[in-house]
Amino acid sequence: DTEVTQTPKHLVMGMTNKKSLKCEQHMGHRAMYWYKQKAKKPPELMFVYSYEKLSINESVPSRFSPECPNSSLLNLHLHALQPEDSALYLCASSPEGDYDYGYTFGSGTRLTVV
Amino acid sequence: GESVGLHLPTLSVQEGDNSIINCAYSNSASDYFIWYKQESGKGPQFIIDIRSNMDKRQGQRVTVLLNKTVKHLSLQIAATQPGDSAVYFCAEMGYNFNKFYFGSGTKLNVKP
Repeated sequence: DTEVTQTPKHLVMGMTNKKSLKCEQHMGHRAMYWYKQKAKKPPELMFVYSYEKLSINESVPSRFSPECPNSSLLNLHLHALQPEDSALYLCASSPEGDYDYGYTFGSGTRLTVV
Repeated sequence: GESVGLHLPTLSVQEGDNSIINCAYSNSASDYFIWYKQESGKGPQFIIDIRSNMDKRQGQRVTVLLNKTVKHLSLQIAATQPGDSAVYFCAEMGYNFNKFYFGSGTKLNVKP
């Protein structure tokens, strides 16, 4: 299995809702990432997990809460989002300490906040 | 921090022609670069990479050139095909070796 799987593919949520994005990989990668991508913009790093521990938080607002329950799963919990948080949320993974070929990205979750 | 940018936001080419996509980077200490292709509705996909100890690397129909003197990276696509239509990002790995910085992207339109 050489894929990163993200669910759901699309999500519409209200500003008072709580929802979660899920990411899964079975490549044995021990580094996992969340990126946010606005339309016609490059991906922007949000969080990095290394061996299931949060190693980088790029000053992301607390309404985004990441979680890495095990080495194959990465979640992003969403609460009280704003319309400007609407974007494509990408998950990626890589072997820890080995960045040849970069990251393997999932297809993303298209999030719309209404 | 590092910044990576592209000169041309949109490039239109005729099918069969060669394409050249450019990228400028600012951190002379960066030593690993990747070109990604992102098709509509998909995540970025690795195309080709190059390390700073090289100035050219070739793949299948793609070539990456690195000019460290002027901190410039380019992606050449030979015999461009409709399936090459996508947004192309360069990405730079800097001092912190577990994150990539992405450039602003170039949209490649291939006309049949």
